[in-house]
Amino acid sequence: NAGVTQTPKFQVLKTGQSMTLQCAQDMNHEYMSWYRQDPGMGLRLIHYSVGAGITDQGEVPNGYNVSRSTTEDFPLRLLSAAPSQTSVYFCAIRDLLNYGYTFGSGTRLTVV
Amino acid sequence: AQSVTQPDIHITVSEGASLELRCNYSYGATPYLFWYVQSPGQGLQLLLKYFSGDTLVQGIKGFEAEFKRSQSSFNLRKPSVHWSDAAEYFCAVGPSSNTGKLIFGQGTTLQVKP
Repeated sequence: NAGVTQTPKFQVLKTGQSMTLQCAQDMNHEYMSWYRQDPGMGLRLIHYSVGAGITDQGEVPNGYNVSRSTTEDFPLRLLSAAPSQTSVYFCAIRDLLNYGYTFGSGTRLTVV
Repeated sequence: AQSVTQPDIHITVSEGASLELRCNYSYGATPYLFWYVQSPGQGLQLLLKYFSGDTLVQGIKGFEAEFKRSQSSFNLRKPSVHWSDAAEYFCAVGPSSNTGKLIFGQGTTLQVKP
């Protein structure tokens, strides 16, 4: 998963706590996105960005905020964590030259 | 509505046997199609992708997939499965535009019997 770095790899939160999942890329791609993966549901799009200063909602945006101040970074914020947000989160970038998507290694989040 | 359906949640095959994983999609525009594989606790690895041209595409690890527009399908195949192929497989569809919103199927878990 070279080129897309996600931190942290694991996190446990208490209900109501806030945190930021980090996603950074060094490939200068405009498109970045966040997915959550839950058993039996595949990956669902939370938010995406087509460039610095531009973000939009995906399929499951409630409870999450994003911003894109630079091309390199696309953080995902949980303002008040809920047990329903227990999931594995993946950041992905899109390479418009070869139409490929590259995924980060994921963040496993547990909300208790 | 745009969607991807993988009808088989779990598939078990014997090592050396052939494999076919099904994928059906519903998409308004010309789709870009992908197959990804995920080993336990790992991220997603691209197996192959289809944009245009030859409807039979070759991927890594000996996998291939065939795009059938009339059936809205993009099934993944492998002639002889190896134990290391045990993993979860995801079919996905996306647009050609810069929005890049990739839609995933629910996934198929492949178990390989020795």
